Amino acid sequence: QKEVEQNSGPLSVPEGAIASLNCTYSDRGSQSFFWYRQYSGKSPELIMFIYSNGDKEDGRFTAQLNKASQYVSLLIRDSQPSDSATYLCAVQWDRGSTLGRLYFGRGTQLTVWP
Amino acid sequence: KAGVTQTPRYLIKTRGQQVTLSCSPISGHRSVSWYQQTPGQGLQFLFEYFSETQRNKGNFPGRFSGRQFSNSRSEMNVSTLELGDSALYLCASSRGPGNEQFFGPGTRLTVL
Repeated sequence: QKEVEQNSGPLSVPEGAIASLNCTYSDRGSQSFFWYRQYSGKSPELIMFIYSNGDKEDGRFTAQLNKASQYVSLLIRDSQPSDSATYLCAVQWDRGSTLGRLYFGRGTQLTVWP
Repeated sequence: KAGVTQTPRYLIKTRGQQVTLSCSPISGHRSVSWYQQTPGQGLQFLFEYFSETQRNKGNFPGRFSGRQFSNSRSEMNVSTLELGDSALYLCASSRGPGNEQFFGPGTRLTVL
């Protein structure tokens, strides 16, 4: 059974702070990892993806992957009120029959207050 | 480059009816996946199509079906609608299986 778990939150941080969002997953194997941002009433927007252990940085966003611990995180530096949204962690197990299928966590709601 | 488009954006149906939703992927993308999002269950995978073939199917009843055309556009159909089918239906496109998926705006289906 493939499962993706996220802290349900809500997570509240002040403007300018670092927001840390966490995600754990079951079932070892070759995977790809994605972070989506979803504003209320909108569809998910892809903001980061990571395939290899370590850190990947893109602007204010850093994704961190530790496959041994089955853990992926998203750091948002210098958080802004416009970052307030639900952040969804998605995992794709790169095996033939499931390749292309994303397994989603329930999302973490982030609020950045001025 | 235009994003993923979905039509219609909103639908209201009654129990027992059927509905067809349409998705046009990003130009050059050949994979289309469908997801259902509800407050209770979150985002759940319905099915994935690549080169007009269904590669993957989630744990949904046979009332949910789909297809993909030669131009990569996709449709999904839900027959004999139930109240529990009320949800946001999302289509995502990617270059191919395993690549990053980009979501369309979704179709909000309400079943009365």
